[in-house]
Amino acid sequence: TQLLEQSPQFLSIQEGENLTVYCNSSSVFSSLQWYRQEPGEGPVLLVTVVTGGEVKKLKRLTFQFGDARKDSSLHITAAQPGDTGLYLCAGVRIQGAQKLVFGQGTRLTINP
Amino acid sequence: DAMVIQNPRYQVTQFGKPVTLSCSQTLNHNVMYWYQQKSSQAPKLLFHYYDKDFNNEADTPDNFQSRRPNTSFCFLDIRSPGLGDAAMYLCATSIIRGHEQYFGPGTRLTVT
Repeated sequence: TQLLEQSPQFLSIQEGENLTVYCNSSSVFSSLQWYRQEPGEGPVLLVTVVTGGEVKKLKRLTFQFGDARKDSSLHITAAQPGDTGLYLCAGVRIQGAQKLVFGQGTRLTINP
Repeated sequence: DAMVIQNPRYQVTQFGKPVTLSCSQTLNHNVMYWYQQKSSQAPKLLFHYYDKDFNNEADTPDNFQSRRPNTSFCFLDIRSPGLGDAAMYLCATSIIRGHEQYFGPGTRLTVT
């Protein structure tokens, strides 16, 4: 059973389009992180959200944490080829071991 | 400046020949983690150190060991690598358990 369901798993769109990636769970998380990973590199932390309903923006990226802290989304506006990569959501559950639970990842390709 | 450093970035070893991967950090974080990541999958936690306290994951094979001689350094030892151990190995740190993690660039291990 996947504790964090991430969707879609693959997404290929044209430059300039908008997209949203979802991360859902039946568990409550004390915090949730989004990472971007490029081929041959380690994941790079983009953002951490901790408060239910929280919205954080990083240039063209908007991150939202659900009110109940069970889900999160990443929205990219006017996607660019440099946004290409593997996006991973990961979180620490309120109940259970204090370790990071990962979603399956979203492989995003932005075509010029 | 790099905060989590992994050496080497690429390692080739022979089937059954012991290999050691290294990780160092300049963040002075208490927790250091080792993950295994296979192609297009999420990282899989092998074990972690909270200070000097070693915490093994239940499904981590005995073939994998770790050492943390001081706060800054942590090593992953693979005693007898098999072909199935070929993967990206990621080191990560966090200030305490349950907090956001910072990843190194990874070591790509090839087993011939």
